[in-house]
Amino acid sequence: QKEVEQNSGPLSVPEGAIASLNCTYSDRGSQSFFWYRQYSGKSPELIMSIYSNGDKEDGRFTAQLNKASQYVSLLIRDSQPSDSATYLCAARLIYNQGGKLIFGQGTELSVKP
Amino acid sequence: NAGVTQTPKFQVLKTGQSMTLQCAQDMNHNSMYWYRQDPGMGLRLIYYSASEGTTDKGEVPNGYNVSRLNKREFSLRLESAAPSQTSVYFCACYLDTQYFGPGTRLTVL
Repeated sequence: QKEVEQNSGPLSVPEGAIASLNCTYSDRGSQSFFWYRQYSGKSPELIMSIYSNGDKEDGRFTAQLNKASQYVSLLIRDSQPSDSATYLCAARLIYNQGGKLIFGQGTELSVKP
Repeated sequence: NAGVTQTPKFQVLKTGQSMTLQCAQDMNHNSMYWYRQDPGMGLRLIYYSASEGTTDKGEVPNGYNVSRLNKREFSLRLESAAPSQTSVYFCACYLDTQYFGPGTRLTVL
């Protein structure tokens, strides 16, 4: 079992809808969680980080963390075609030296006009 | 990609050739990483360096070597390239999270 798992998709949503991306992790020592967005042919860029249980909102993006159930999710409200990309979930273990992250395989999101 | 640079952006090698991928950061971070990314495989860690003078293997280190030249620079070397090493290579550095360079697209024929 991979330490961080995501549905590879593709996830297709209509413009204006809410896109929901999910991620589960296996190691309860995971401390910090990150969502990266990666456009085709580009490098990953950080869009959200979350460290404690609950919701964290930033504009149209909301990250949700539930450590008891070991899942992290990313909601994108009012989805736009420009949100079409691959979204990577990553976890940092509390005992990881030097900020090493464990990445999921990514979920491809397609927002249709 | 501000702060992390990679060279070259593209490279084509023949099987058996060697090359070094360069990475430099101006963010004064201690930790640096090398990943490869293949379709459907996500990001896989090749090597990382938690601080100047230290390097450690990641998930897929075979066929690669690294050098942490100083705090700014972390290079990845392919001694004898193989077609299985055709991939996109990303360098990253860590502060509160990882910040990635623009990547190197490598094709081994």
